Amino acid sequence: QVQLVQSGAEVKKPGASVKVSCKVSGYTLTELSMHWVRQAPGKGLEWMGGFDPEDGETIYAQKFQGRVTMTEDTSTDTAYMELSSLRSEDTAVYYCATGPHRYSGSYYNYWGQGTLVTVSS
Amino acid sequence: DIQMTQSPSSLSASVGDRVTITCRASQGISNYLAWYQQKPGKVPKLLIYAASTLQSGVPSRFSGSGSGTDFTLTISSLQPEDVATYYCQKYNSAPSITFGQGTRLEIK
Repeated sequence: QVQLVQSGAEVKKPGASVKVSCKVSGYTLTELSMHWVRQAPGKGLEWMGGFDPEDGETIYAQKFQGRVTMTEDTSTDTAYMELSSLRSEDTAVYYCATGPHRYSGSYYNYWGQGTLVTVSS
Repeated sequence: DIQMTQSPSSLSASVGDRVTITCRASQGISNYLAWYQQKPGKVPKLLIYAASTLQSGVPSRFSGSGSGTDFTLTISSLQPEDVATYYCQKYNSAPSITFGQGTRLEIK
């Protein structure tokens, strides 16, 4: 059973960066393909990017290209999502999410608890 | 990019009703379609993947069908605990994973 535990809520000023962590237990990161999804208040789910096992690379949604960086520390089985040049529209709950195994396809049966990032001056 | 359009955006039904939510892809996606349920303030929960495969532990009143561009999520007999927002998601290619806009389901 995979468990994903995310870091706590953040409050950032416009223009700053935020880095959210996602600690994996029950499996190792190398057994999974970690993705990130966000949800603005009262809005729907928005895919940000994730690991593509076919290419061995992390793929980002075009909307976030140049502003988001997703990394993994396999020594601690922790994934990270860093979003820069924050603006008020980035206020959202950020989720890490993954499927049952690395090559299962990019649907998500495991989700972190979510991290609220608030961007406000 | 392939767009996913859900309908209706909201619906109200009575306990015991059969409820159907549809999701249409702007291009064919084979069966790379998942459905999620999200209750207020909660994390999304996977219901269906590969268009029609029921995730383990999900009640059998939930079912999915479709292939190509048109998909449906059906709740055979609506229960009070099914009040939630439902999302479809296409996942056929990593660079363009897309969620539908969601369908809010309420009890009449």
